[in-house]
Amino acid sequence: IAGITQAPTSQILAAGRRMTLRCTQDMRHNAMYWYRQDLGLGLRLIHYSNTAGTTGKGEVPDGYSVSRANTDDFPLTLASAVPSQTSVYFCASSDGALTEAFFGQGTRLTVV
Amino acid sequence: KQEVTQIPAALSVPEGENLVLNCSFTDSAIYNLQWFRQDPGKGLTSLLLIQSSQREQTSGRLNASLDKSSGRSTLYIAASQPGDSATYLCAVRVISGGYNKLIFGAGTRLAVHP
Repeated sequence: IAGITQAPTSQILAAGRRMTLRCTQDMRHNAMYWYRQDLGLGLRLIHYSNTAGTTGKGEVPDGYSVSRANTDDFPLTLASAVPSQTSVYFCASSDGALTEAFFGQGTRLTVV
Repeated sequence: KQEVTQIPAALSVPEGENLVLNCSFTDSAIYNLQWFRQDPGKGLTSLLLIQSSQREQTSGRLNASLDKSSGRSTLYIAASQPGDSATYLCAVRVISGGYNKLIFGAGTRLAVHP
C-alpha cells in the first residue's frame, strides 16, 4: 500500500540519548515535513524539506535535525533527548504547496 | 499571525443525524484548506482538500465548503454513523517565513452513538 511509513511506532528513551525517527514515503512527493502533536498545543511543524537535498526549520526546530539525501527518506534526529521532547511525531509529505498532504501513523516518543 | 479555530470542541450525536463542523481562520491569504480525520492513537487521514479558488468539495457523505473572504470552512457529514467517531482537524496551507506549512486547528472530537 502506497503511503508513508514511520519507525519505530513507539519508543521510551533515556534523557541525553540520541535517537533517529525514520520516515519513508513511496509516493515520490517532493515535499516532506515533521510535526509534533502535543495535548493542548495541537500539531506544530518542526522541520521541512521542499525537495531532496534541501531542508528548513519550522516553528519548533530546536533540539532536532533532519536530512534529505533522497526523495523517499526524511529522518528526524534528536541529538540529546530531553523530557520536553516527549510527544507524538508525525511525518507528512505532499507534492507541493497546492496538493494534498499525507501523514504517517506517528511515532510515540517518551523521554524519561 | 494565522490562527485556526474549530467549533465545537466536542460533539455527541445519535446515529443518523446530519451534522456540521466549523473551522475559522484569521488570515484569508491561504493556498488551500484540508480536513483530516484522526482516530485515537492513530495518524491523520486526509478527507478533503479545497483549493483557495474553490467553494466546496464532496466525497461520499462528506461535503466541505470554503468561504475564504470570511475565513470560514464547514465540514458537513450526512447520515452520521458510529464509525464516524473520531477527531476532525482542519488545516490551512500558508506561506510564512519563506516556507509553506499547514496550520492546524485544535480539532472537534465527534462521538456518534447507536
